[in-house]
Amino acid sequence: QVQLVESGGGVVQPGGSLRLSCAASGFTFSSYGMHWVRQAPGKGLEWVAFIRYDGSNKYYADSVKGRFTISRDNSKNTLYLQMNSLRAEDTAVYYCAKPDFTMIVVEWGQGTLVTVSS
Amino acid sequence: QPVLTQSSSASASLGSSVKLTCTLSSGHSSYIIAWHQQQPGKAPRYLMKLEGSGSYNKGSGVPDRFSGSSSGADRYLTISNLQFEDEADYYCETWDSNTWVFGGGTKLTVL
Repeated sequence: QVQLVESGGGVVQPGGSLRLSCAASGFTFSSYGMHWVRQAPGKGLEWVAFIRYDGSNKYYADSVKGRFTISRDNSKNTLYLQMNSLRAEDTAVYYCAKPDFTMIVVEWGQGTLVTVSS
Repeated sequence: QPVLTQSSSASASLGSSVKLTCTLSSGHSSYIIAWHQQQPGKAPRYLMKLEGSGSYNKGSGVPDRFSGSSSGADRYLTISNLQFEDEADYYCETWDSNTWVFGGGTKLTVL
């Protein structure tokens, strides 16, 4: 079955950087676009970024545009999120998520917590 | 881009039914949405995809007690024979023009 396992979360100071990874298995990773979605403590879900199956196009929420970069390595079945210039408001659990061919999210990882604090 | 509006909370008694609503913004009433469930302390779980026609497609392992329906810009999630494990946050999701949006979520309490 589909498995999405995030890693790389932790505590980072404001202005710092962090790279998240999502190891995918149980499906043909190179055939699907992938998302990052986050959830601040006690808040709802917020879409962060999407990358097409071949990495040719990337899309970002306005709140992270210019600071975060989504990428993928299809040879390693792994999705990444490079986060730079981190702010306190980026504190959240970050989930990787797989859509189906209608682009709706149908699978979720377990999430990794990022805390931005001095 | 579309906006999804959900009531912040709902409650219903054990064994009864509840109908949660997700409303699409003007001009987006034909859009497909998804419903996701998030139990306390857990990751979200995909429940179903729901079209404007009312046709829905559930995820693997989602109990028969969960069903979907539509009317105009409204998308509904109905849970029958409520169980304590149904107490969770429920989010709707859609997308347009390479932007994905979630509703604010409805916190369901089972009494």
